[in-house]
Amino acid sequence: GENVEQHPSTLSVQEGDSAVIKCTYSDSASNYFPWYKQELGKGPQLIIDIRSNVGEKKDQRIAVTLNKTAKHFSLHITETQPEDSAVYFCAARATGGGNKLTFGTGTQLKVEL
Amino acid sequence: EPEVTQTPSHQVTQMGQEVILRCVPISNHLYFYWYRQILGQKVEFLVSFYNNEISEKSEIFDDQFSVERPDGSNFTLKIRSTKLEDSAMYFCASILDRNTEAFFGQGTRLTVV
Repeated sequence: GENVEQHPSTLSVQEGDSAVIKCTYSDSASNYFPWYKQELGKGPQLIIDIRSNVGEKKDQRIAVTLNKTAKHFSLHITETQPEDSAVYFCAARATGGGNKLTFGTGTQLKVEL
Repeated sequence: EPEVTQTPSHQVTQMGQEVILRCVPISNHLYFYWYRQILGQKVEFLVSFYNNEISEKSEIFDDQFSVERPDGSNFTLKIRSTKLEDSAMYFCASILDRNTEAFFGQGTRLTVV
């Protein structure tokens, strides 16, 4: 089955700096890669996603890149703000079967003033 | 904006007791999921449900677990005889179709004592 690795597990940046979180996946059949933000005590909230026919996608301060050959995808947050502090999860999904998401282990992002 | 709702938000139960976690997925969605998250760990897939039957389940989803969609709106997860290790956040999710994003509920925190 699919295995998603995520690094780093914790990331501390100064407000205004950029943050980068990286994930790798193992199943070449995976074709959809969402990123979720989880605040304490809440459910995962989708912040951006990318499909395998696209190499990069941007939404304001957030961007995601995908390298299908290397099975890598990354989340980039620019101009970080304190409200960006949360746990971020990458995930991968292949079409078929139950269409389940396989999650990475999470990154605790702390944006310091 | 439509959302997935889960009840209760917190459930405390004695070991060996049965619990039912309830979810109301987004109304026109067709695929339904349960995931769980043990404190501090990643989100793990339990089961997917489509067309009134289980389409995929994980190793975690053993005979103690069952799911049901008793009417047109509710989706439930039952744990027949809870164990201490069932303590976790349980998230319900739904998707419109297999190519669209997953929406997660706020979760039910299950504590087995």
